[in-house]
Amino acid sequence: DVKVTQSSRYLVKRTGEKVFLECVQDMDHENMFWYRQDPGLGLRLIYFSYDVKMKEKGDIPEGYSVSREKKERFSLILESASTNQTSMYLCASSLSGSVGQFFGPGTRLTVL
Amino acid sequence: QKEVEQDPGPLSVPEGAIVSLNCTYSNSAFQYFMWYRQYSRKGPELLMYTYSSGNKEDGRFTAQVDKSSKYISLFIRDSQPSDSATYLCAMSSYTGGFKTIFGAGTRLFVKA
Repeated sequence: DVKVTQSSRYLVKRTGEKVFLECVQDMDHENMFWYRQDPGLGLRLIYFSYDVKMKEKGDIPEGYSVSREKKERFSLILESASTNQTSMYLCASSLSGSVGQFFGPGTRLTVL
Repeated sequence: QKEVEQDPGPLSVPEGAIVSLNCTYSNSAFQYFMWYRQYSRKGPELLMYTYSSGNKEDGRFTAQVDKSSKYISLFIRDSQPSDSATYLCAMSSYTGGFKTIFGAGTRLFVKA
């Protein structure tokens, strides 16, 4: 079974802190994604990566950056956390394009 | 107007009922249509995906795509309490690169 793991299930941070969310997949997938999920808005794509060291902006990249140094690991960085970044963050990976993504369990981030 | 519209529910049905979940979309370029199931406090998991129009069946689940009407459906036969979850439709196009557009999800409750 494909497994996507995320470093934390719950995280509480203060405004202005730098936050790192890590994601690891064990199926040798080329493509990895970071989404945030908010009630009524569904999943919105923050960044994606289709190869090591390659990254592309999604629909809402402002305030975020990413790092992919190894194929299995994709990190999301909040440079200076703000309260409007309080959300559920979901990482996903896929073998082919964006069809059939496998998701991690999510990290619920609260910024105070 | 959102690219993908999905009624948030909640939809409450008795055990054994046939459930119909639907999404409409506006982008005629979408070619891949997916349904994900998300249990509370978990990440979405892929249930089914179809390419272009037509039906696809997998056990108690049937996915239908009507591209002429820009309308997709997921039917659940003999619904069980374990089917209680949020169901997300999602769609993407080859020309859209790696971006998948998700609906906001319909919350389903199946009562024993």
